[in-house]
Amino acid sequence: DAGITQSPRYKITETGRQVTLMCHQTWSHSYMFWYRQDLGHGLRLIYYSAAADITDKGEVPDGYVVSRSKTENFPLTLESATRSQTSVYFCASSEAFSGGTGELFFGEGSRLTVL
Amino acid sequence: SQQGEEDPQALSIQEGENATMNCSYKTSINNLQWYRQNSGRGLVHLILIRSNEREKHSGRLRVTLDTSKKSSSLLITASRAADTASYFCATGFINDYKLSFGAGTTVTVRA
Repeated sequence: DAGITQSPRYKITETGRQVTLMCHQTWSHSYMFWYRQDLGHGLRLIYYSAAADITDKGEVPDGYVVSRSKTENFPLTLESATRSQTSVYFCASSEAFSGGTGELFFGEGSRLTVL
Repeated sequence: SQQGEEDPQALSIQEGENATMNCSYKTSINNLQWYRQNSGRGLVHLILIRSNEREKHSGRLRVTLDTSKKSSSLLITASRAADTASYFCATGFINDYKLSFGAGTTVTVRA
């Protein structure tokens, strides 16, 4: 099915463990994004990517690592999870639009709890 | 800090009434977008307005953009229960491909 899928949808882990959230899109969009959503903060940009092997830091990149070896995949890794990283994580993709970014297509989110 | 800020934070209206929410931003933009999020779901794109446009319509949605005031508004006319959701504005930057979101407005439509 065409679209953007995130996995896992729900994850409970312990402080200090490594966690990887997967994101896969089938449109071959150039741009991909990772946001976290917390009450009172809306969506905050963690990392974004313009193409394979091109990534940029967003507003809140500390504690996260990304890679993009293939256009369709953009995994997000928490190298050593902390309680403050408990959040809902959204992956999104888009195409370029007049020198900027067009419509974002979002996944359903990955709800991460760090105990 | 985030680029966009929505106002009000929450809005409760009767079915059939109009809902208006505002978004203010800080720096020059390439475009401004509005999204809807139903509880527990991902965000869905509603409308995109370019920096050189002043108004745009899509069905019951009307978006305005005032770049001199760095602000935008989203009007939902003749609201329905299904419009109950959170609404976010997002700003796209010039010569940058990131999109920055505000904290959102939660709209509740009462039957």
